[in-house]
Amino acid sequence: GQNIDQPTEMTATEGAIVQINCTYQTSGFNGLFWYQQHAGEAPTFLSYNVLDGLEEKGRFSSFLSRSKGYSYLLLKELQMKDSASYLCAVRDLNSGYALNFGKGTSLLVTP
Amino acid sequence: EAQVTQNPRYLITVTGKKLTVTCSQNMNHEYMSWYRQDPGLGLRQIYYSMNVEVTDKGDVPEGYKVSRKEKRNFPLILESPSPNQTSLYFCASSGQASAYEQYFGPGTRLTVT
Repeated sequence: GQNIDQPTEMTATEGAIVQINCTYQTSGFNGLFWYQQHAGEAPTFLSYNVLDGLEEKGRFSSFLSRSKGYSYLLLKELQMKDSASYLCAVRDLNSGYALNFGKGTSLLVTP
Repeated sequence: EAQVTQNPRYLITVTGKKLTVTCSQNMNHEYMSWYRQDPGLGLRQIYYSMNVEVTDKGDVPEGYKVSRKEKRNFPLILESPSPNQTSLYFCASSGQASAYEQYFGPGTRLTVT
């Protein structure tokens, strides 16, 4: 089974940097994903980590430590449109490569 | 345009009336999956399919059926819907089960009264 934890809500100011943490426990780790989801819309892919380290993609970066069961998503130069829910998901090859999602972190960006 | 489509987008129905939510992808993806999303519970996988005629249960399969007769289609069937199946449903696909990105459909908001 999976246990994926991330904060429920966060607030940050436009132009600032915010870090959203995710911890997980899994028996068959096969990658960690971050998705963005605006209210009422489909999740959209942000990043993927399968090896330890930092993956950078424009204003967004994601970090993974497999030994600690820990990841974070870093959002720089926050914009109002970044207000959304951020979903951490872990793929488990022992469950048919199922993607198991955390409950999501609702980020509010304020002026 | 590469996409995953779902129909209907919105549906209000009554308890016990069989319904099907269709899902289709035009990317020749092998892997397809159904999720439901409920407040406070996040996205939970219902069923998935590794390829044509290969399906398996996810975390919350009770009350649902699926079929995968063609590569592009993966319908979700509720034989006898109940109010606890009121939810937002997403279909997703990826090239292979091990691919790094799943593409999600726009969602189907189902209400069972």
